[in-house]
Parts: sequence; C-alpha cells; structure tokens
Amino acid sequence: SYVLTQPPSVSVAPGKTARITCGGNNIGTKSVHWYQQKPGQAPVLVIYYDSDRPSGIPERFSGSNSGNTATLTISRVEAGDEADYYCQVWDSSSDHVVFGGGTKLTVL
Amino acid sequence: QVQLVESGGGLVKPGGSLRLSCAASGFTFSDYFMTWIRQAPGKGLEWVSYISSTGNTIYYADSVKGRFTVSRDSAKNSLYLQMNSLRAEDTAVFYCARGQGGYSSSQLDSWGQGTLVIVSS
Repeated sequence: SYVLTQPPSVSVAPGKTARITCGGNNIGTKSVHWYQQKPGQAPVLVIYYDSDRPSGIPERFSGSNSGNTATLTISRVEAGDEADYYCQVWDSSSDHVVFGGGTKLTVL
Repeated sequence: QVQLVESGGGLVKPGGSLRLSCAASGFTFSDYFMTWIRQAPGKGLEWVSYISSTGNTIYYADSVKGRFTVSRDSAKNSLYLQMNSLRAEDTAVFYCARGQGGYSSSQLDSWGQGTLVIVSS
C-alpha cells in the first residue's frame, strides 16, 4: 500500500518560514491535500490539490508538489499556527485514502 | 453552513457492536461522497471507509474490512458506520468528513467534531 512519510516534528521561530514535507513514491503525480489539527479539535483543510487554499485560510499557507515530495509552507509563522499537520492523498491502486503520520509544528 | 454531527460513540466490550451516525446539514447530502476517519488517542489520522455520493461504491481500510459496514440514507441526510467484532485497537475518536467534488481523490473539506469509541472490558 501507498505510504506517506512526514517528519514527526518541525520547530520554527515566530515570523519565520516553516516547511513541512510529505514524501511518497512519485507523489508528484497525485493530488495532495493538507489538514491542520489543533488539540481537541477536528482537522481543518488548509491546502487542497497541492497548492489551492480554501476560503478563510491565510495566504501565508501555500503548497507545492513535485517528484517524491510535497511541501506545506507556512510563511510568517504565528503562535496560532502551532498544530499537527497531515498530508493526504488518494491511492488509486488500492482505492484507499492515505494519510501521512502527521507533523507537530512547534512555534518557539 | 455545512454541519456534520456524529453520534453513537461510547464504551463497548471487546467483540461487541456499535453503530455510529453522522447527521449532515447545510448542503445537498446526495451530491457528496463521505468518509469515516478515526484517530486513536495520541495518534494520527487513519482512514476507515469511503462511500460514494450514490452509495454504489464503497471502500474500507484493511484493518476494518469484514467487520465494519458503511451506509448512507439521503432521505435522512445521514451517514452510518456499523461496527462489529470490536477490538481494543478500535478505540478512537471517529470523524465523518465530506468529500468535495466528484472524484475520490478530492479533498475532505468539512469534518464533524467526532465521537469517541472506547473498546474495553
């Protein structure tokens, strides 16, 4: 089955840029979606189809996808961005939704 | 606005059964595929099941196949998950989520608040 690999944690100082990666075999050929989950809350979609942003999500959130790595970039990081982030794809070979293991973003 | 409200969670003994419900409102339920996602305590998100907008196409994670059954009732704007032969490792918060667009590869753009299932003797 298809596997998505994320770093368990990323730390960044306020005002700096955070990059969270999501690795998968030829992930660049798939559509990647990203979700933010704060403690005790349901996940929220922050990026869809690699780089599109839902309404209400700040422009500071952006995404890219190429080769074997998709990346969620958060610019000018704020304390309120501290959360777990998950990437997700659809694996057509198994007809499964696949999530990455999640990355805990810590704002120093 | 779009709202998804799960219910039916609770404490159940190993080997027991539980039926989860997800009440949808604020959108045309029959136009969207739906999924169940779960999250064990302190763990990441795990996809459980997918059901197409018509209910004709259904998929399950290998970990629940043969034990869980997903269904939907457009007349009631509701999604269901029948869970049988429950195991301790099924303990999790279960979320229902709406799939945007007509493709299974589309994003999950709305999530419920979740319902907690605890499997323990």
